[in-house]
Amino acid sequence: EDKVVQSPLSLVVHEGDTVTLNCSYEVTNFRSLLWYKQEKKAPTFLFMLTSSGIEKKSGRLSSILDKKELSSILNITATQTGDSAIYLCAVEASVGGNKLVFGAGTILRVKS
Amino acid sequence: GAVVSQHPSWVICKSGTSVKIECRSLDFQATTMFWYRQFPKQSLMLMATSNEGSKATYEQGVEKDKFLINHASLTLSTLTVTSAHPEDSSFYICSAGGGAIYEQYFGPGTRLTVT
Repeated sequence: EDKVVQSPLSLVVHEGDTVTLNCSYEVTNFRSLLWYKQEKKAPTFLFMLTSSGIEKKSGRLSSILDKKELSSILNITATQTGDSAIYLCAVEASVGGNKLVFGAGTILRVKS
Repeated sequence: GAVVSQHPSWVICKSGTSVKIECRSLDFQATTMFWYRQFPKQSLMLMATSNEGSKATYEQGVEKDKFLINHASLTLSTLTVTSAHPEDSSFYICSAGGGAIYEQYFGPGTRLTVT
């Protein structure tokens, strides 16, 4: 059974801190790994990773995939209160049609 | 950016009744729409994938006769929860895509409460 596990489940930090969120996966026919930010309702796309070792960066957020370890990390530097959200990791598996398997998410709260 | 809407945003219904949830892609055509449910503090669980004009593909463990999906046009898919029970209470989110997997845009979700 395809599985995506995120850690920690929740995290509270102060503004300015750097955080690292983890995602590990076991899926059949891995195609890509995606990170989403879910603030109130709809998840919004952050990154898609397909190749090991290549960092994707967008402002204070960055992410990297390690296919050997079947994992990915999402880093957020100089956190702001607006970064408070649920961060979802999803893996695209191609068995039975392309679909996303989501992890349970990491709830991040940034205190001012 | 691509916008996906869902209606209603929340609904309360009595046990045994049916509820229809609409998912619309407002500014693009979606050949594929996905339906997820999300329990509190749990991940999005894919229920089914629907392609315009064809029958939906349901994930293992999802009853197709209970969760009826219709994808009649490139901009509209509906999920009908038939004979709803309290255990069907959940957050239902749709997403619509027309191309690459990362081009899957999520709706704001529908909170269903069955009393």
